Parts: sequence; C-alpha cells; structure tokens
Amino acid sequence: AQSVSQHNHHVILSEAASLELGCNYSYGGTVNLFWYVQYPGQHLQLLLKYFSGDPLVKGIKGFEAEFIKSKFSFNLRKPSVQWSDTAEYFCAVNEDNQGGKLIFGQGTELSVKP
Amino acid sequence: KAGVTQTPRYLIKTRGQQVTLSCSPISGHRSVSWYQQTPGQGLQFLFEYFSETQRNKGNFPGRFSGRQFSNSRSEMNVSTLELGDSALYLCASSLAGWGPYEQYFGPGTRLTVT
Repeated sequence: AQSVSQHNHHVILSEAASLELGCNYSYGGTVNLFWYVQYPGQHLQLLLKYFSGDPLVKGIKGFEAEFIKSKFSFNLRKPSVQWSDTAEYFCAVNEDNQGGKLIFGQGTELSVKP
Repeated sequence: KAGVTQTPRYLIKTRGQQVTLSCSPISGHRSVSWYQQTPGQGLQFLFEYFSETQRNKGNFPGRFSGRQFSNSRSEMNVSTLELGDSALYLCASSLAGWGPYEQYFGPGTRLTVT
C-alpha cells in the first residue's frame, strides 16, 4: 500500500532561519503532490501543489517545494521563516487513478521562536 | 464564496450510539471526501463521493458509511460507536470530477465518544 513519510515530527527554528521539511512517498506511478498547513485553531489550508511540469513549485506565503521523481520526494522549503509560520505541515499524495483520495504523512509540527 | 461547512462542530456521544455528521461543500463543487484525524493515526481517508456515488473508500469498517445528495451536500454516519472513534472528522470538497485537483477542507467535527 502507498505510504507517505515525513521525516521530522517536530522542528524548532528561530525567526529568519531557513526551513526544509522532508516528504517521501512509496508509490511508483503517476502522483499528484500537496503540502497542507494547519495553523493553531484553524482548518487545513493548501500551501502548494504539484500536478505536472516544472518540478519546482511555488506556493503561498513564500513556500516552495521540489518534486524529485527519482527520489520519490517532495520537500517543502522556505528561505526565512517567521513566527507566524508556526503550524503543523502535512504532505499528501494522490495517485492519478484514485480520484480524490489523499494519503497524508504524519505531519511535522513547526515551532518558530521570535 | 463560502468555504466548506461542517455541522455540528462538536459532538459527545456514548459508546454504542450512532452519529451523523454533515458537510456542505463549496458552491459548485461536486466531489466530497471525508477524513478522520487522530493523534495516533494522523489523517486517514474514509471515502469520497462524486455525483451522489461513492467513488473511493478507505480501510474503515462497515460501521462507517456516507452518502451524497443531489445538491452535493454529504453526510457520514458511524453506527455502534466505539471509544476509538473519537476523532476530528474532516470534510473536503473539490470542483473537478477526474484528473488532478485540489481539495478544500472544512473546520471539522470533533467527536468524543465516552
């Protein structure tokens, strides 16, 4: 069965530090890839998505992610985090023939110190 | 446009009872998916409905069921509640039928089973 792994459960950074959150998936076929964010007390919001084309995708709030097919990875990056980025981040994968079914990683809690 | 709405937001039930949760998708969206979120298992896909038909189903027992109405609103039902069913139940809607598409999540219904 397909699975999604997020390498870090909890990341603590100071403001202005760079961020990279790892995400790997196990499915070998065509996939659609997503990063969602859940701010404290708020619902899941889409940060960015990859369907096809340029493997480097840009999302909201200065986030970007790179799809590396050979490594089955879709890592999330931000050059300089802010206190307001404190949230839980989820990587999700959708197999191309599975309709809307999303397989989520376990999530990474990011704490940014002011 | 109004976002995905879910009712009720909070629910307390007793073991053995049954419960029905409701989801109203974004206007014009025809696909609705349901997810269960728990601290231990994370976000897990329950099922997806499109045009009143269940298109995909996750690995949950038959106690979990759902349906979609002609106006795209969806309900999920859990019968014979167990303590382990305590979770945040999320609904997500999307515009498209087939092909890659992004899903928009609601705030969830927090179910507590005592």
